[in-house]
Amino acid sequence: NAGVTQTPKFQVLKTGQSMTLQCAQDMNHEYMSWYRQDPGMGLRLIHYSVGAGITDQGEVPNGYNVSRSTTEDFPLRLLSAAPSQTSVYFCASSRTAGAGRKNIQYFGAGTRLSVL
Amino acid sequence: AQSVTQLGSHVSVSEGALVLLRCNYSSSVPPYLFWYVQYPNQGLQLLLKYTSAATLVKGINGFEAEFKKSETSFHLTKPSAHMSDAAEYFCAVSESEGYQKVTFGTGTKLQVIP
Repeated sequence: NAGVTQTPKFQVLKTGQSMTLQCAQDMNHEYMSWYRQDPGMGLRLIHYSVGAGITDQGEVPNGYNVSRSTTEDFPLRLLSAAPSQTSVYFCASSRTAGAGRKNIQYFGAGTRLSVL
Repeated sequence: AQSVTQLGSHVSVSEGALVLLRCNYSSSVPPYLFWYVQYPNQGLQLLLKYTSAATLVKGINGFEAEFKKSETSFHLTKPSAHMSDAAEYFCAVSESEGYQKVTFGTGTKLQVIP
């Protein structure tokens, strides 16, 4: 059971380049989400999905796109990278969106992105 | 609006000493509260969460936290620190039942001195 897998682990981009951060989970979870982590700011939600074909914006969605064509995968796309998008990105999943006692959110190991 | 404040971005304790990481929250409704741990170069892992059941919540690795409504606090404690506890700890709050509404604190890095 691999859990939540993120690729790549590290990436360096030039301003204006595009790329896709991959996220896959093998736990048949309905809810998946993307966060960015910046020093001194904690985690901030970018986009989330409550199931295949359903996505919505989080706190900081600008500059990012997502899609959810399968239950397993939830890629994050940067269409035109900017230095302000230098960050560590985490994908997470849980059985449902509900944060109740028995529903735990699992995080991937992160993708460290630098935009020059 | 909900928010969470972690007092102290860095905390140092001696091995075997009490660990106390402070978290105060602001919420207009009874909240859900979480503590996560992040080891270097890894993602977050849930330590424990409060969902309006018992006010003293026990988590993994010997950690526990007590919900105190009168003080709007949810401090994390462990009686005896181990070297393996060195990590960054995040407190988080949610006014709704959904993970999409969770607000994270800025984190506290715990150093354990041998």
